[in-house]
Order: sequence, then structure tokens, then C-alpha cells
Amino acid sequence: NAGVTQTPKFRILKIGQSMTLQCTQDMNHNYMYWYRQDPGMGLKLIYYSVGAGITDKGEVPNGYNVSRSTTEDFPLRLELAAPSQTSVYFCAAGTGGPTEAFFGQGTRLTVV
Amino acid sequence: QQQVKQSPQSLIVQKGGISIINCAYENTAFDYFPWYQQFPGKGPALLIAIRPDVSEKKEGRFTISFNKSAKQFSLHIMDSQPGDSATYFCAASTKAAGNKLTFGGGTRVLVKP
Repeated sequence: NAGVTQTPKFRILKIGQSMTLQCTQDMNHNYMYWYRQDPGMGLKLIYYSVGAGITDKGEVPNGYNVSRSTTEDFPLRLELAAPSQTSVYFCAAGTGGPTEAFFGQGTRLTVV
Repeated sequence: QQQVKQSPQSLIVQKGGISIINCAYENTAFDYFPWYQQFPGKGPALLIAIRPDVSEKKEGRFTISFNKSAKQFSLHIMDSQPGDSATYFCAASTKAAGNKLTFGGGTRVLVKP
């Protein structure tokens, strides 16, 4: 089992460009999450999904969009990249209960 | 509003020593308190977790102490090893909120040989 897989691992974007961060999981978990991690800071929740077709905002959703058409995939879309979106993005999957959330290895995004 | 506060931001300990990281929370609805370990270039991975009905949980060299009345919990790493050098995050969540994790700011631990 691969667990949670994120692509790409690294990306440099110019201001105003758009891109999609891909996330897929093979654990059949209903809950999926997107977090961002800024240097020296903890992770902040951007969006989450409790199942296919259902998404909701987290703590820092502005500038992002998500979709969840299948249990496996949970892509994160940046429409108009801004320098403030320079960060490391982590996707995670879990059962939604008080148990482990499994994280991907992250996507390091730089907006210049 | 930072709901989970973590200290210290960084910690240097000699091999064989004890590393102690503290966290305090505000939301009394939190019912799950995990600690995640993150190595450079990797995603966080669950290290150990506790629920508020117990005051301590030990797994190998790692122990969580939990004080519900003070709304505080801490991670103790006994006999610290160079391989323990990593960033540690405390977190908290509620099942009612889909177990969305609220993270502390992280502690970078360096264990010197």
C-alpha cells in the first residue's frame, strides 16, 4: 500500500498562475484533509472532505478550491497564485474517528 | 486564535537525556490528543496519542502526560537518541468535528551524540 501520495513534490509558480496539487489515497478512508505548513509554524487546515461529493472549509480556505469526486482523490486548486501561498502543502486521510491521520510527503510550493 | 500552544520552539538535549515538550489547549471539547513526529522532507507521522480519560500513556521511550483540569499535556522522550532529532507537533481534535486536527506550532528537537 502506498498510503497517501502527493504530486508534484516541488513546484515554482509565478504570481497569478494557477495549478492543481494532486492527492490520492489507497486506504479507502472517507475523510481527507489539506493542510499548509509555513516555516516554523504548525499545520493549518485549508479544506477537508468527509466523503465523495462533500467538502468543507477549514481554517485558511481563501485562495483555494477543492473537489472530491471519488474516495481516492482530493485535489487542491490554486486559481491565482500569490506569494502568501508559498508553503508546504500536506494531504492527509483518515477514518474521521479519534485515530491516526496518514499524511503524504508534501508539496513544496514557491510563488514568485 | 491559537487553540493549541506548544513550547518550547526548539530543544537541544544530550544523548541519553530527557526531552520534554509541553502543550496547552483552550477548547474543552477536544477529545483526542496525538503527537506527530516529522523528519525533514517528510510528512508528519503519528508517534503516540492519548484520550482525556487517562492521565498517562507510555509507548517505549515516549510518554504522554495529560492534565485535564489544567488543559495541558506533554510529551516526554526518555533516553533521547540522535535518531529522535525531528520536529514534534502536538495536536488536538474532536470526533464531533470529523477529527480535524488543530496543531501546535511545533518543537524542533536536536539530540547531540
